[in-house]
This record gives sequence, C-alpha cells and structure tokens, in this order.
Amino acid sequence: QKEVEQNSGPLSVPEGAIASLNCTYSDRGSQSFFWYRQYSGKSPELIMFIYSNGDKEDGRFTAQLNKASQYVSLLIRDSQPSDSATYLCAVGSEGTSYGKLTFGQGTILTVHP
Amino acid sequence: EAQVTQNPRYLITVTGKKLTVTCSQNMNHEYMSWYRQDPGLGLRQIYYSMNVEVTDKGDVPEGYKVSRKEKRNFPLILESPSPNQTSLYFCASSLDPFQPQHFGDGTRLSIL
Repeated sequence: QKEVEQNSGPLSVPEGAIASLNCTYSDRGSQSFFWYRQYSGKSPELIMFIYSNGDKEDGRFTAQLNKASQYVSLLIRDSQPSDSATYLCAVGSEGTSYGKLTFGQGTILTVHP
Repeated sequence: EAQVTQNPRYLITVTGKKLTVTCSQNMNHEYMSWYRQDPGLGLRQIYYSMNVEVTDKGDVPEGYKVSRKEKRNFPLILESPSPNQTSLYFCASSLDPFQPQHFGDGTRLSIL
C-alpha cells in the first residue's frame, strides 16, 4: 500500500462544476496536509494546507480533513479551464519520520468549457 | 523577491560523470528538501534537512548525496550518475517541515 494515495485520474469536469479530489494516507501520526497545483512544465504551487479535522475554505477551494478515516480532500467549486492542472496531495510525518514529506502520485484535472 | 534558485535548469551528461545541482534560498528557512519527479509517480523526496549540518534520507536517497553547510544552500550531488537518475528535480524550502514548501523552478537532468 502506498503511503499517500490519490484518486486515479484523469478527472474531467465541465466548466462551473465542482471538482472533487481525494487523498488517503497510511501514517496515523501525520499532522500536516497540503494540496499543491502543478501546471505542465512548472513547479508545484500551494493551494491549501490544513492541520485540523474539518473543513477549511479559501475562495473557491475547500480542504476537508478526516484523521480518523485518514483522508484529505480538495473541492474546487465553479471550476474554470484555468484550474486544469495536476493536483498533488502531500502529507507531513511526525514520530520516527519527523520532517519527512510524502506526496501522492497526483491527479490530472481537466476542466472543459 | 523571496525565491528558491536552482542551477542548472537543464543538464545532459553521461554515466559516471559527477555532477552537482545547486539550490539556494533567500528566506532564511530552516527546512530544505530535494525531490525527483517521474511520470505517474508524483514527487518523491530524496533528502531533507531540518537545519545546518542536519540531513535525513527521504524515500529515494540511493545514488545521491547532500550537504548543508550554510542555512541558505543545499546542493544535491550525484557522484556517479546513472541513466535511472534521469528525471526532473525540485528543491524546496520552508520555515519548518509543517509549513508550505516554496519550490524552485526545477532542474531537468538527462543522463546518457
């Protein structure tokens, strides 16, 4: 089992729809969770980070964290063609792997007009 | 401007010829890290550093070395590169490992 696993893509949604991206992780001691967006040929850029259970909203983006079920999700409301990119989930470890950051394999999102 | 600078951006070299990819940040960040990115595998952490003179292995450290002699610099060294190290490499930094990472623009290495 991969340490951090994202829903397999690619994911295609129409413009204006809600895109839902999911990520599960195996380390119960994980305390920090990040979503990055990466356009083709570019470096990752931060979308959201979340540390506590529940929802965190920033504009059209909502991150949801459920530590008991070990998943974190990203919702993109009113999806735009400019949201088309690869989305990377990252999980920060504590305990014996303190400082280690593990990324999922990424989910390719396409928003079509 | 706050940034993470990697050099070179592109490099084509041959098997066995030692190379160094430099990484420098101007944000006084304690935490720095190297990743490689291969199609379908996302970003995989190679090494990370919590502070000067403190480095730890990530998920794929084999064939790589790092050093952290100064806070701002974290070079990645391939002492004897092999073709399976052909990849896109990113350096990143943050205040600590639980803060969002600032990424460099990437270095595309091709080892023939």
